[in-house]
Amino acid sequence: QQQVKQSPQSLIVQKGGISIINCAYENTAFDYFPWYQQFPGKGPALLIAIRPDVSEKKEGRFTISFNKSAKQFSLHIMDSQPGDSATYFCAASPNSGYSTLTFGKGTMLLVSP
Amino acid sequence: DADVTQTPRNRITKTGKRIMLECSQTKGHDRMYWYRQDPGLGLRLIYYSFDVKDINKGEISDGYSVSRQAQAKFSLSLESAIPNQTALYFCATSDFSFRAGVSYNEQFFGPGTRLTVL
Repeated sequence: QQQVKQSPQSLIVQKGGISIINCAYENTAFDYFPWYQQFPGKGPALLIAIRPDVSEKKEGRFTISFNKSAKQFSLHIMDSQPGDSATYFCAASPNSGYSTLTFGKGTMLLVSP
Repeated sequence: DADVTQTPRNRITKTGKRIMLECSQTKGHDRMYWYRQDPGLGLRLIYYSFDVKDINKGEISDGYSVSRQAQAKFSLSLESAIPNQTALYFCATSDFSFRAGVSYNEQFFGPGTRLTVL
């Protein structure tokens, strides 16, 4: 069973702080690593994604760090805001036309005012 | 979310009843997926379809069946609902492409159906 292990399960961060969520994978065929954000009552939506040819990708306050040798990747949310409070899922898939996403179990982030 | 719609949004049913959840999309995507979400277990894939004539089992297909009626419609059925099928169900679509040797397969999720089986 292909797995993506995500931690922590929940996280409380003060406004302005840095939120860090970690994921680890086993399948070396994985080469696409997206993060999805889900607000209460909504479906998940793609937030940011990375491929293993780079070690870091930044979009605004959101950064993915990728360590291919350790088979780990993480999401960093800089200057966390209450509006960032949501559930975050990491995922992975191979570079194949017939692949599906394997999701982590999710992290509930609460940013306190 | 408006491009992927799910009906009903909420449903309460009894053990043993047959129930169908429906998904429609206006994105023109070939690929559609059904997931269930449970607290602490994340998103688990139930079934997926890469085109109208293609149906594949996912991680947790037991107790479920699907029908791909058209490119835009993908329904999930519980033939005989049981309480441990109480969950939040999501439909998703994606439009797969290969560009310069790299695959692109962003998934777009519907708003979800909250199903309670008593």
